[in-house]
Amino acid sequence: QKEVEQNSGPLSVPEGAIASLNCTYSDRGSQSFFWYRQYSGKSPELIMFIYSNGDKEDGRFTAQLNKASQYVSLLIRDSQPSDSATYLCAVKPQNTGNQFYFGTGTSLTVIP
Amino acid sequence: NAGVTQTPKFRILKIGQSMTLQCTQDMNHNYMYWYRQDPGMGLKLIYYSVGAGITDKGEVPNGYNVSRSTTEDFPLRLELAAPSQTSVYFCASSARAGGSYEQYFGPGTRLTVT
Repeated sequence: QKEVEQNSGPLSVPEGAIASLNCTYSDRGSQSFFWYRQYSGKSPELIMFIYSNGDKEDGRFTAQLNKASQYVSLLIRDSQPSDSATYLCAVKPQNTGNQFYFGTGTSLTVIP
Repeated sequence: NAGVTQTPKFRILKIGQSMTLQCTQDMNHNYMYWYRQDPGMGLKLIYYSVGAGITDKGEVPNGYNVSRSTTEDFPLRLELAAPSQTSVYFCASSARAGGSYEQYFGPGTRLTVT
């Protein structure tokens, strides 16, 4: 069983719509959850992190965490063509020192 | 601040050759990591370090070695390169401050072994 699973997509949404990206994880004791954006040929860059159950909003981005169901999601409101990228979910499980586990990423395309 | 820098950006190796990928960070972060990313795949942790003189294996350490003699530098050594090591290698660092574990990534090294 993979530590972190994401739907690889591709996910296509029209400009201005809400894009919803989902991630599930296997370690129930996981503490920290991160969303990274990776443009083609570039390195990952942190968008958001969330530690507590519920929603966390930052501009057009909202991270949602449900530890009971072991999933974390990222909502992108008012999607822009510049949001077209691969989104990586990362999880820090409870007893792995400082190791992180990454999902394979979801490819998002925002259609103008 | 330059953040996390990596050299070289690109490299082609022949099977059996060796090389060192360099990584330097200027953010005074204690934690540093090496990942590899194969096409269409997520990041796999090779090695990580929680401070100078301390290193530990990640998910895929075979064929690699690391050292951490200073806070700033975390080189990754490939001995006897194999085609399976063709990948993009990312170095990252993070600081442990107030429970924060965000990682900052370097630009990557694209390695081809033929």
